Amino acid sequence: QVQLQQWGAGLLKPSETLSLTCAVYGGSFSGYYWSWIRQPPGKGLEWIGEINHSGSTNYNPSLKSRVTISVDTSKNQFSLKLSSVTAADTAVYYCARVSPPLVPAAVHYYYYYMDVWGKGTTVTVSS
Amino acid sequence: QSVLTQPPSASGTPGQRVTISCSGSSSNIGSNTVNWYQQLPGTAPKLLIYSNNQRPSGVPDRFSGSKSGTSASLAISGLQSEDEADYYCAAWDDSLNGLYVFGTGTKVTVL
Repeated sequence: QVQLQQWGAGLLKPSETLSLTCAVYGGSFSGYYWSWIRQPPGKGLEWIGEINHSGSTNYNPSLKSRVTISVDTSKNQFSLKLSSVTAADTAVYYCARVSPPLVPAAVHYYYYYMDVWGKGTTVTVSS
Repeated sequence: QSVLTQPPSASGTPGQRVTISCSGSSSNIGSNTVNWYQQLPGTAPKLLIYSNNQRPSGVPDRFSGSKSGTSASLAISGLQSEDEADYYCAAWDDSLNGLYVFGTGTKVTVL
C-alpha cells in the first residue's frame, strides 16, 4: 500500500523560502505524477502544481513565479519550494499522488484525480 | 480562487439523503471528469468519487456522484454520523495553461 511521508520547516519569516519534501513508500514512483496542494486555515483547497518522474512540471498560474517542484527518483521523493513567502502562504501543505498513471496527456488531464495523500505539514509565516 | 461553486453547508438527520451541488463551466466540468473528496476534521482529504461516479475501493455505496453539463452532484444516502465532514468537488480546468480546481467546499452536518 502506497504511503506518502512529508516533512519540512513549519515556521518561516516573510520573504524566506518554504521547502517541503514528500517521500513515496510501497508503490510505483515512475508511473505517476505527484502533486502539492495547500489549505489556508479555515479555507478551501488550492492546487499548487505537479511533477512526474522525468521532471515534467505544471504549476498553478497564480503561484508559478514563486514555485519550483523537483524530483529525486533515486530516493522516490519530490519537493516543493515556494519563494518570498508572506502571511498569505500560511497553510497546511499536502503532497498527493495523481492518477491515472501511464496514460497520454489528454487522458491524464481528463480523468485527473488525487488518490493517495500525505498527512499534511502546517507552515506558518510570521515575523 | 475557487471556480467551482458549492453550497457552504448541508445537513440531515441519520438515515436521510443529502445532496451537494457543484457548479462549474465549460472549461472544467464541461470538459473533464469530476472528483469528490471528503475531509474529516483535522485530517487530510480523502478521494471519495472519481471519474464522475466511480467509488474507490472501500468507499461505501451510500456515496454516489453524477454529472450533467457543467454541473455535478454528490449524494449521500442513509446519512451516518461519521459522514459529518467537509466535501470538495474538483476537476481539471483547461483555461490558461491548465490547472486543477477545487470547489468552495460544503460542510455536512448530521443533526
